[in-house]
Amino acid sequence: QQQVKQSPQSLIVQKGGISIINCAYENTAFDYFPWYQQFPGKGPALLIAIRPDVSEKKEGRFTISFNKSAKQFSLHIMDSQPGDSATYFCAASNQEKSSGDKLTFGTGTRLAVRP
Amino acid sequence: GAVVSQHPSRVICKSGTSVKIECRSLDFQATTMFWYRQFPKQSLMLMATSNEGSKATYEQGVEKDKFLINHASLTLSTLTVTSAHPEDSSFYICSAGTSESSTDTQYFGPGTRLTVL
Repeated sequence: QQQVKQSPQSLIVQKGGISIINCAYENTAFDYFPWYQQFPGKGPALLIAIRPDVSEKKEGRFTISFNKSAKQFSLHIMDSQPGDSATYFCAASNQEKSSGDKLTFGTGTRLAVRP
Repeated sequence: GAVVSQHPSRVICKSGTSVKIECRSLDFQATTMFWYRQFPKQSLMLMATSNEGSKATYEQGVEKDKFLINHASLTLSTLTVTSAHPEDSSFYICSAGTSESSTDTQYFGPGTRLTVL
């Protein structure tokens, strides 16, 4: 019930291409869906987040698409650059709960952008 | 933006010793702090949630007597790994959340690499 499934596990994209990472969740109580970027040996950094009242959110080259009925959301990285090479985690939480916004993380996607 | 620091960034200790890791929110007050551990090439696993001035809530399977968490102020939480063993070697990451923003975003620290010999 608390799982967030993420795919693919790894992704190789040419510079300038579009990177797409998908996540699916089961718990319909989730109402906050952030994406984090993590470089080796560093902590995750918040990239972009969405709430289920919108179907898409765009910030620069990063776009989240959200499908509430399918319980799926995805991250699109446009014009991918070698500097985008990192591990990306989707996550979900129920911000209405009093438990303090516990994040449930996906398994991660290792993105490599080739020059 | 919100900044969370961790200290130390790396620590190597002998088996049987205790190690304390500090997590600080530098420019905001954190009503809730979270502690995660991450093994190589794996996702983050939540260990416990701590609220300032109250006892931490541990996730299932996490030994609360082994991983002592103290959240003494709105800007500081500490994780003490007691009687550390090689299997405790991992990347420990804290995050801090605040209810001051509408999204209650979690901000992560840079992590602490623990190696137990």
